[in-house]
Amino acid sequence: QQPVQSPQAVILREGEDAVINCSSSKALYSVHWYRQKHGEAPVFLMILLKGGEQKGHEKISASFNEKKQQSSLYLTASQLSYSGTYFCGINSGGSNYKLTFGKGTLLTVNP
Amino acid sequence: NAGVTQTPKFQVLKTGQSMTLQCAQDMNHEYMSWYRQDPGMGLRLIHYSVGAGITDQGEVPNGYNVSRSTTEDFPLRLLSAAPSQTSVYFCASSYSSSFYGELFFGEGSRLTVL
Repeated sequence: QQPVQSPQAVILREGEDAVINCSSSKALYSVHWYRQKHGEAPVFLMILLKGGEQKGHEKISASFNEKKQQSSLYLTASQLSYSGTYFCGINSGGSNYKLTFGKGTLLTVNP
Repeated sequence: NAGVTQTPKFQVLKTGQSMTLQCAQDMNHEYMSWYRQDPGMGLRLIHYSVGAGITDQGEVPNGYNVSRSTTEDFPLRLLSAAPSQTSVYFCASSYSSSFYGELFFGEGSRLTVL
């Protein structure tokens, strides 16, 4: 079952912050975040493993709340280059090899 | 280093035709997979493989066939194309079969079925 991402879309001005959420109805073993620019392939941002881990990638960080079965992606002081669609992918057990993606969050950063 | 290479990039088929989307990676990755991407639906897993000779179904396997005879190649076959298979197809690979590794995606293949 696909994880639920919110919001579906967000528009920011350069320098503003944003949070993208990813929720699952099943227990999560790992959460993966990817960004896709229009017409391009998805690009890996980070992986979070269960245990409440928080990771960072430049000014983009994420948290993983195992109990709430959700992850959040934090974009700080957004740049024009952050524009794109963000996908969370979840591995919820059973097979380690099935990564199920959400429907995506379209982020637009304007000057 | 080419990474993940998909061919063709664009293809138009008629209903009922068959075709193969090619995927090759030169990173010696164990894990390879095929996703389809439709507007508003995100990326949905079609089939995946954790090594040569080993394949399994994903979320939306119907109408597709795969095989993995070598580590490098993972072709996706459409047996009898239908308009519902119009989509953008991505091949992805990862070094880790335990799935704690990042996925490297190919550039995608845009398929239109008339």
